[in-house]
Amino acid sequence: NSKVIQTPRYLVKGQGQKAKMRCIPEKGHPVVFWYQQNKNNEFKFLINFQNQEVLQQIDMTEKRFSAECPSNSPCSLEIQSSEAGDSALYLCASSRRGNERLFFGHGTKLSVL
Amino acid sequence: GDSVTQTEGQVTVSESKSLIINCTYSATSIGYPNLFWYVRYPGEGLQLLLKVITAGQKGSSRGFEATYNKEATSFHLQKASVQESDSAVYYCALSDQSGTYQRFGTGTKLQVVP
Repeated sequence: NSKVIQTPRYLVKGQGQKAKMRCIPEKGHPVVFWYQQNKNNEFKFLINFQNQEVLQQIDMTEKRFSAECPSNSPCSLEIQSSEAGDSALYLCASSRRGNERLFFGHGTKLSVL
Repeated sequence: GDSVTQTEGQVTVSESKSLIINCTYSATSIGYPNLFWYVRYPGEGLQLLLKVITAGQKGSSRGFEATYNKEATSFHLQKASVQESDSAVYYCALSDQSGTYQRFGTGTKLQVVP
C-alpha cells in the first residue's frame, strides 16, 4: 500500500484565490511527480523533482503554478491565481527512480468556483 | 510526441467471463519505453498492477496479464475470468528509460456484473 500522503483531500477556492496543496512522498523516494487529472480523466504532467531539484516542468507550471520539495518538509504545489479551468484532481506520486513504478497519493480535488 | 491511447472508456463484463482492455502507445522519442498498468479501485489511490520493461515479455499480477508488443506498439491487458472485485479503473502508462516522465492513458472503467 502506498504511503504517499496528500492534503487536503478537497479544496474549494474562488477565482483569483491561491490554492495550495501538499504531499509527503514515501520514505526513501527521492523522485516526486505532480499530475493534474481533469474531468475527462486526462493526465497532465506538471512537474517533477529529484530530491529538491526540479527535473522537468511544463510551460503552464512556469506561469501560475509553483512547486517545491524542500528537505525535511512536505512537497507543495501552489496555484497563485486560480482559474475555473484549474478544477481537477491533483495527484502526487513518488518513486525511487522516475522510470520505475509510481506510488500515488489519493489526490487533492480542487474546485474553483 | 509520446502518448498512450485507451479506446474504451468503459467496459462491462459478466463475472467469470474473459476480459481484454486495449492499450496502444506512440513512443516517437523513446526507443524502448517501460510499460505499466495501474489500477484505481473504488475509494483507493492509483496503484501499480503490473509492469514490463522488455519488448516481447509478459507481465502478470492478480490474474491479469499484458504483453509488450513492440511491433504493434500495444500493451493490452487481459484476464481469463473476471470477478466483481476487479471492478475498477485501469490506466495504461509508459515511461522513458531516463524516467523524466510517465505518460498515462485516459483509463478504462471496468464494471463486472453478476
